Amino acid sequence: EPEVTQTPSHQVTQMGQEVILRCVPISNHLYFYWYRQILGQKVEFLVSFYNNEISEKSEIFDDRFSVERPDGSNFTLKIRSTKLEDSAMYFCASSEAGSKETQYFGPGTRLLVL
Amino acid sequence: RKEVEQDPGPFNVPEGATVAFNCTYSNSASQSFFWYRQDCRKEPKLLMSVYSSGNEDGRFTAQLNRASQYISLLIRDSKLSDSATYLCVVNRHSGYALNFGKGTSLLVTP
Repeated sequence: EPEVTQTPSHQVTQMGQEVILRCVPISNHLYFYWYRQILGQKVEFLVSFYNNEISEKSEIFDDRFSVERPDGSNFTLKIRSTKLEDSAMYFCASSEAGSKETQYFGPGTRLLVL
Repeated sequence: RKEVEQDPGPFNVPEGATVAFNCTYSNSASQSFFWYRQDCRKEPKLLMSVYSSGNEDGRFTAQLNRASQYISLLIRDSKLSDSATYLCVVNRHSGYALNFGKGTSLLVTP
């Protein structure tokens, strides 16, 4: 069964550094998403991406965050000038089409900012 | 008012029991509704979509009441493997992104 993959599984960084989280969505999917989940809290939407541009973003997705699809398979989330409060599990998801379609989640990258 | 509200539980039930979870959502424009399951420190996985007519998948039955903005999930004949957190999920506004409830924790005991 096709699945979303994410690397690395864990990332530790110092406050103020930049991190790049990588995702490989399911190959025939067209919509890509990043969500995050702070420990003990709910899953929160960050950004959706379609046709090589951001289609929607939340208030969490400030100008320190950016997304990119550098080639035909990878989808990345970059966080610049990391803050302690960025520590969370970051999930990538993809879906074949739009809002009524199932989103499939990757296993997540656990980010710890020290 | 929170966008998606759920009773956090935990629900502790014996094997074989029937358990029901409820959820309310605030955005009347929402069009897509789901129940996801999340095991500890794992990714959310789709359990089932929820339709206005109600739908059933084996031991699981989901109902949607648009007028009351209320979603339910019924699990019959609970198994130990059903122990997890159940997430009520609604699409944001008219877009593609999803709003998650905080989840209801279920523990099924022998």
